[in-house]
Amino acid sequence: SQQGEEDPQALSIQEGENATMNCSYKTSINNLQWYRQNSGRGLVHLILIRSNEREKHSGRLRVTLDTSKKSSSLLITASRAADTASYFCATAFKTSYDKVIFGPGTSLSVIP
Amino acid sequence: DTGVSQDPRHKITKRGQNVTFRCDPISEHNRLYWYRQTLGQGPEFLTYFQNEAQLEKSRLLSDRFSAERPKGSFSTLEIQRTEQGDSAMYLCASSLVGTGALSANYGYTFGSGTRLTVV
Repeated sequence: SQQGEEDPQALSIQEGENATMNCSYKTSINNLQWYRQNSGRGLVHLILIRSNEREKHSGRLRVTLDTSKKSSSLLITASRAADTASYFCATAFKTSYDKVIFGPGTSLSVIP
Repeated sequence: DTGVSQDPRHKITKRGQNVTFRCDPISEHNRLYWYRQTLGQGPEFLTYFQNEAQLEKSRLLSDRFSAERPKGSFSTLEIQRTEQGDSAMYLCASSLVGTGALSANYGYTFGSGTRLTVV
C-alpha cells in the first residue's frame, strides 16, 4: 500500500502534556499533510509540509519531515481537552501530484 | 462562501436502491475529491475532478459508483443497487491547485460528509 501509517494507533495523555504522533510512508512524496477529525465530523486541514522542507510550525503544532527515513511527526504542545480527536497523515505522491492518500489515523484522548 | 457543503447529511436506504449525494465545493477551488470512510479507518480515495474533467477513479470502485461534475461546479456521486457494504461516510473535499510539479501547496477543505446506511 502507498498510504502512510500512523503510530501509535491510540494515545492518551493528561491535559498540558505534549502529544507526538508519527507517520511513515513508502514512496517518494510531493508533500505530506496532517488533518484532524473530531468524532463524526469532517476533516480539518492542520498543516502541509513540502518534500523540500524539514520542519513547520503552526501555533502549538510542530511538524517534521525526514524524507531519508520516509517519516513525519506531529507534535502538539501543551495539549488541551479540545485536542481530543483523530489525527491523520496524508501523503501526496510524486506519481499523482495532488491526490492524497490517508493513513488509518491516531486517536488522541486528552484527559482534563 | 461558507466552505464545502454536502447534502444530505444522513441517508438511510434499502439494499438495492440507488442513492445520489451532492457536494458544493468552495467556488474558487478547481479540484474536487470524493472519499469514503468507515468507522475507525482513514478516508479512502474514490475519485477526483479538475474543473469538469474526472482525472482519476479508484480501481477499488465498482461500476455501481459514478460521479459527475457538470460545468465544473457542484458534483454528484451516485451509487446504484446499494449493498450493505456501501454503508460509510462519504466525504467531499475541494482544493485550489496551480500548475507545476510542486503546485499542491494547499490542503483540502472537507465537507461534513454524508453518512449512508444501507439496511
